[in-house]
Amino acid sequence: KNEVEQSPQNLTAQEGEFITINCSYSVGISALHWLQQHPGGGIVSLFMLSSGKKKHGRLIATINIQEKHSSLHITASHPRDSAVYICAVRVWYSGGSNYKLTFGKGTLLTVNP
Amino acid sequence: DVKVTQSSRYLVKRTGEKVFLECVQDMDHENMFWYRQDPGLGLRLIYFSYDVKMKEKGDIPEGYSVSREKKERFSLILESASTNQTSMYLCASSSIGVRAYEPQHFGDGTRLSIL
Repeated sequence: KNEVEQSPQNLTAQEGEFITINCSYSVGISALHWLQQHPGGGIVSLFMLSSGKKKHGRLIATINIQEKHSSLHITASHPRDSAVYICAVRVWYSGGSNYKLTFGKGTLLTVNP
Repeated sequence: DVKVTQSSRYLVKRTGEKVFLECVQDMDHENMFWYRQDPGLGLRLIYFSYDVKMKEKGDIPEGYSVSREKKERFSLILESASTNQTSMYLCASSSIGVRAYEPQHFGDGTRLSIL
């Protein structure tokens, strides 16, 4: 079983719909990242969070540490939101001075006009 | 603006060749990472480095080596390329210590095809 599970794997929506992508993890973490990758493009960090909720424009990320679960929401979705969204968890090592990331397999979101 | 630059976006090589993928960052980051990304498998860590001349194996190091002679540059080496190393390769960098709470910064990726 993967340490980081994302659902759904693929998601198709109509423009304007509210979208939710889920991420569950099985290891102890110091933080969780949501990343975005456009087709053929590099990866950009959307959020890094260790508790509660963060909002940036139409994007909202939440995390429940006790339940080891995070969600990424997109309100009023738009075709330009079409991308792969990746959840990654940050695990400390080397006595807490450094970390590495473990990634989910990603969710391919397609928003149709 | 912060920048992680990978030397090639697309690369085609032949089986058995020695292949070098280069990555340069301009953020004075201590950590640098090499990942490969495959459909259905997501991003997997090949090697990382937390300082000049220091390296640690990631989850899938077999068939790869790395070199970090300068802080800003991290090279991934395929000693004898094989077709199962055809993939998208992504480099990333990050800081440590008090800046460790900043996210990793990724390059645009190199799509490598081994024929």
